[in-house]
Amino acid sequence: GAVVSQHPSRVICKSGTSVKIECRSLDFQATTMFWYRQFPKQSLMLMATSNEGSKATYEQGVEKDKFLINHASLTLSTLTVTSAHPEDSSFYICSAKALGQGAMHFGDGTRLSIL
Amino acid sequence: AQRVTQPEKLLSVFKGAPVELKCNYSYSGSPELFWYVQYSRQRLQLLLRHISRESIKGFTADLNKGETSFHLKKPFAQEEDSAMYYCALRFMYSGGGADGLTFGKGTHLIIQP
Repeated sequence: GAVVSQHPSRVICKSGTSVKIECRSLDFQATTMFWYRQFPKQSLMLMATSNEGSKATYEQGVEKDKFLINHASLTLSTLTVTSAHPEDSSFYICSAKALGQGAMHFGDGTRLSIL
Repeated sequence: AQRVTQPEKLLSVFKGAPVELKCNYSYSGSPELFWYVQYSRQRLQLLLRHISRESIKGFTADLNKGETSFHLKKPFAQEEDSAMYYCALRFMYSGGGADGLTFGKGTHLIIQP
């Protein structure tokens, strides 16, 4: 089945550091990729949607300059948390879907801890 | 704006008992609904979608447009069904072309032996 690889799985870094998370579709072309944030005991919250070759669409309340999303190819999207602070600590999950398909395929998530 | 509601944060039933996980939605367009499951320490995975009308692991879900519901059901629960279940709605962004997925808050299903 379709596989989405997310890297790294765990990041611990100091406040003020910028962190890049990669999301790759390994065996299909992902025309659309999504980034979610999951707080403890809460639902997934959609942060942004990215379509290959175009600017990402951010959800209300998500800072574009804080969470930089790049979807340069059909198999790779990156989320960069710029100048991360402790409140950015969370579990970030990416998902991807192929053109014309409704089903979503999820990565394993990245646990980001900002000290 | 579209919304998915799962009223139960936690549902605990005994093994062998019937299970029903509730999901209601609001959406102005034509709905496409899914159930996703997350077993302990595993990734989210698709359980079923309404358009395929299939039964996966004994689970079924019927889209009821009149009640705007997509409840997940299983007649006899098994211990391995214990997991987090998310109902999701596929929506189209205004302007057409791009679509997204809105999730409910999830229901933690616990099957007691």
